Amino acid sequence: GENVEQHPSTLSVQEGDSAVIKCTYSDSASNYFPWYKQELGKRPQLIIDIRSNVGEKKDQRIAVTLNKTAKHFSLHITETQPEDSAVYFCAASIRDAGGTSYGKLTFGQGTILTVHP
Amino acid sequence: NAGVTQTPKFQVLKTGQSMTLQCAQDMNHNSMYWYRQDPGMGLRLIYYSASEGTTDKGEVPNGYNVSRLNKREFSLRLESAAPSQTSVYFCASSPRISGANVLTFGAGSRLTVL
Repeated sequence: GENVEQHPSTLSVQEGDSAVIKCTYSDSASNYFPWYKQELGKRPQLIIDIRSNVGEKKDQRIAVTLNKTAKHFSLHITETQPEDSAVYFCAASIRDAGGTSYGKLTFGQGTILTVHP
Repeated sequence: NAGVTQTPKFQVLKTGQSMTLQCAQDMNHNSMYWYRQDPGMGLRLIYYSASEGTTDKGEVPNGYNVSRLNKREFSLRLESAAPSQTSVYFCASSPRISGANVLTFGAGSRLTVL
């Protein structure tokens, strides 16, 4: 089955710095890569996603890059703010033999991001 | 518009007891999922239902059963709870079974098994 490795497990930055979280996946058939943010005691929420036919996607201060050859993707947060402090999860979706994705997401282990004022 | 609603929010069980976690969504989504979240292990898929009338095992199905009661509701049952099932359980739903599946999560249910 799919295996998703996420690094680092914890990340501490100063307000205004950039933060980068990296994930690798094992199944070359994976075709969808979302990132979820989970604030303390809250539910995970989607912040950005990328599909396998795109190399980079940006939404204001966050961006995701995908390298299909190396099977890794990264989340980049620029100009970090204290409210960016949360746990971030990457995930990869598996496509079945019929060519459709059942939306089964395999998640990474999570990264605890702390932004110090 | 409530989204995904889970009950109960908290539950304490003794080893061997049974219980059912309830989940309902009001977004007319086709697919529903149950995940468990443990420290350092991310979110692991227990069972999912791609559409009404179907259910399938995920990564960690042992010790659990599910029922897709109708399009809105997807329940998770622990027949004989074990301390290893102490976790936070999240129900989620998504609109379709292909392409980019954006999950909407419930607020979570914290289960402790003594």
